[in-house]
Amino acid sequence: KAGVTQTPRYLIKTRGQQVTLSCSPISGHRSVSWYQQTPGQGLQFLFEYFSETQRNKGNFPGRFSGRQFSNSRSEMNVSTLELGDSALYLCASSMTSGKETQYFGPGTRLLVL
Amino acid sequence: GNSVTQMEGPVTLSEEAFLTINCTYTATGYPSLFWYVQYPGEGLQLLLKATKADDKGSNKGFEATYRKETTSFHLEKGSVQVSDSAVYFCALVTGNQFYFGTGTSLTVIP
Repeated sequence: KAGVTQTPRYLIKTRGQQVTLSCSPISGHRSVSWYQQTPGQGLQFLFEYFSETQRNKGNFPGRFSGRQFSNSRSEMNVSTLELGDSALYLCASSMTSGKETQYFGPGTRLLVL
Repeated sequence: GNSVTQMEGPVTLSEEAFLTINCTYTATGYPSLFWYVQYPGEGLQLLLKATKADDKGSNKGFEATYRKETTSFHLEKGSVQVSDSAVYFCALVTGNQFYFGTGTSLTVIP
């Protein structure tokens, strides 16, 4: 089975721009979660989608949004980028929402200049 | 609230040394507990997990036991190798959400 894939792997943007990241979960997985990883803050939960519905949301401003499609693929969007948004963005999928193991993609490294 | 606390790193060990990385948690309900490992430039990989009290998760020589009485899930390995150099994350899931520790960086020197 193919693992979780994320595109693009690397991205450079400037302040004020917006960006869209994509995540394709493992086949059959219906839950997709997004995390932001930075050296100072560690791994922070952004949101989780299950069957096209946002189930949980972390403590991030409204500039961070996401969606999930009927094939379980997910996108996250960050508008009006700030320097502090530079981070590794990780996507994780699981079979269902709940106590299932999450499987992570390799991440998208975003640099905001 | 729910949270995970890990010992701070970085940890540096010589090859074949014994490894312990402490992890304690606070959670409502009955969480499942996990250890994930992140190698440089990669995403997180599941190392092991335990779903109920007294369960022992093990993989690749690593072990951790779910201790409800001490709310702990310490990671151990009897003899580390250079290839074990990575960042290790303790995590719990409860109420449909994962909570991660801040990660412990391990460097193993030959």
